[in-house]
Amino acid sequence: GENVEQHPSTLSVQEGDSAVIKCTYSDSASNYFPWYKQELGKGPQLIIDIRSNVGEKKDQRIAVTLNKTAKHFSLHITETQPEDSAVYFCAAPSNSGYALNFGKGTSLLVTP
Amino acid sequence: NAGVTQTPKFQVLKTGQSMTLQCAQDMNHEYMSWYRQDPGMGLRLIHYSVGAGITDQGEVPNGYNVSRSTTEDFPLRLLSAAPSQTSVYFCASSGTGDTQYFGPGTRLTVL
Repeated sequence: GENVEQHPSTLSVQEGDSAVIKCTYSDSASNYFPWYKQELGKGPQLIIDIRSNVGEKKDQRIAVTLNKTAKHFSLHITETQPEDSAVYFCAAPSNSGYALNFGKGTSLLVTP
Repeated sequence: NAGVTQTPKFQVLKTGQSMTLQCAQDMNHEYMSWYRQDPGMGLRLIHYSVGAGITDQGEVPNGYNVSRSTTEDFPLRLLSAAPSQTSVYFCASSGTGDTQYFGPGTRLTVL
């Protein structure tokens, strides 16, 4: 099935700095790449996604970039705030196309 | 809309006991899935459904059964709980088959 690798596993930044999380995938046919944020004790929440017909998508302080040739996509958070502290997961479609395969997560800590 | 709801929030079982984790969605989504989350492992797909009466296995299906008698409900059954099934379980639904909306999770401990 689709193999999704995510790096780094932990990331600590100072408030106001940028954070970048990278994921690679194995199936060149994959065409949908979401990012989820999970706060302690809660379920994952979709924060941004990108489809394979675009190379970049932005939503305020967050952006996702996609390089289909290299089969990797990245989450960029600018002007980080303490409330951005959470675990972030990337994902790509599973073999069936009706569910997702997830990376192992990145624990982001934003220190004031 | 309540979105995706899961019950119970917490459960402790003894080895060999059975139980059903409940999941319901009120968004009229065709696609529903169950994932388990273990430390350092991300979320792994257990079973999924593409509509009422249709289910299929995911990455880690052993020890779990599912059924989908209605569009709204997708229960997950543990027939004989084992300590290896200690985990946090998330149900998700999707209207398109890709964007997934997750419930709040059930934390299960098997002693």
